[in-house]
Amino acid sequence: GENVEQHPSTLSVQEGDSAVIKCTYSDSASNYFPWYKQELGKRPQLIIDIRSNVGEKKDQRIAVTLNKTAKHFSLHITETQPEDSAVYFCAASLTGANSKLTFGKGITLSVRP
Amino acid sequence: NAGVTQTPKFQVLKTGQSMTLQCAQDMNHEYMSWYRQDPGMGLRLIHYSVGAGITDQGEVPNGYNVSRSTTEDFPLRLLSAAPSQTSVYFCASNHLAGSYNEQFFGPGTRLTVL
Repeated sequence: GENVEQHPSTLSVQEGDSAVIKCTYSDSASNYFPWYKQELGKRPQLIIDIRSNVGEKKDQRIAVTLNKTAKHFSLHITETQPEDSAVYFCAASLTGANSKLTFGKGITLSVRP
Repeated sequence: NAGVTQTPKFQVLKTGQSMTLQCAQDMNHEYMSWYRQDPGMGLRLIHYSVGAGITDQGEVPNGYNVSRSTTEDFPLRLLSAAPSQTSVYFCASNHLAGSYNEQFFGPGTRLTVL
């Protein structure tokens, strides 16, 4: 089955700096890669996703890049703010009827004011 | 829309007790799933369902049962609770067809087994 790994497990940045969180996946058939943000005590919520026919996707201060050859994808957050502090999960799956999401273990991002 | 709802929010059980965690969604999603979240372990899939009457095992199914008699509801049953089942449980749902597989999560149930 699919295996998703996240690196690093914790990340601390100064407010205003950029943060990059990387994930690798094992199944070359996976074609959907979402990122979820989970604030303390809350449920995970989708912040951005990318499909395998796209190399990069951007939404305001966040972007995701995908390298299918190397089987890794990254979340980029620019101009970080204290409210970006949270746990971020990457995941991978096929789309359609076999859409089991496999999650990474999560990364705790701390933004220092 | 209420989205995905879960009850209860908190539960304390004694070892050996059984209970059912409730999950419901009002978005007409075909796919529903249960995850458990433990510190440092991420979200691990317990069971999932691609439609009413169809269920399958995920990564960590032992000790749990599910059923899907309607599109809306997907209860998770703990047969004989063990301390190792202390965790936060999330239910999630999404459409299967279309361009997106965004999973919508419920608010979670925090379970402690003594």
